[in-house]
Amino acid sequence: DTAVSQTPKYLVTQMGNDKSIKCEQNLGHDTMYWYKQDSKKFLKIMFSYNNKELIINETVPNRFSPKSPDKAHLNLHINSLELGDSAVYFCASSLPTGETQYFGPGTRLLVL
Amino acid sequence: LAKTTQPISMDSYEGQEVNITCSHNNIATNDYITWYQQFPSQGPRFIIQGYKTKVTNEVASLFIPADRKSSTLSLPRVSLSDTAVYYCLVGDLRHGSSNTGKLIFGQGTTLQVKP
Repeated sequence: DTAVSQTPKYLVTQMGNDKSIKCEQNLGHDTMYWYKQDSKKFLKIMFSYNNKELIINETVPNRFSPKSPDKAHLNLHINSLELGDSAVYFCASSLPTGETQYFGPGTRLLVL
Repeated sequence: LAKTTQPISMDSYEGQEVNITCSHNNIATNDYITWYQQFPSQGPRFIIQGYKTKVTNEVASLFIPADRKSSTLSLPRVSLSDTAVYYCLVGDLRHGSSNTGKLIFGQGTTLQVKP
């Protein structure tokens, strides 16, 4: 009974490619997030959606586009991948107040 | 948004109590203090949360002084499996706030528990 799941777990791709990461939560939460964790382990929020509506949009290149088909899913599409995009991307979900966020297992993206 | 400062690393031995202190000098009135734990190759996991004084659950205790400019996570009798990175965060939990859910993770404290 995985609460927050992400696919794929690993993603190795070439510069310039377009890729998507999928996230699904079965907790019934209205709010979902995407975080990026770099090699130094800093975890930084990228986006937050509440009930399919964009709430938080940090300073992220517009090559990154989140899409929420329904409130249980928040996918991340990345265009024209760059070397600096290599990181671990975590999806999370919570109640609207965000008091406890449940994180997925992460997607390890390596851009060659 | 309030910034947090915590030690980069700590060492301990099995069975000891571990206290990790976090500074958040510019914490706002509506901010709560939350601690997360992250094991290698996993996402962060919620440990404990508080607003003031002391909070205790089955995993840890959280001590918050009256001025709320710092907080201390206390892990009783750690084991090897407590080796992880611990993050202290402050965040606004008011429903509808533009900052709601916007957790700012610092560098975290890497706790190494030795046998």
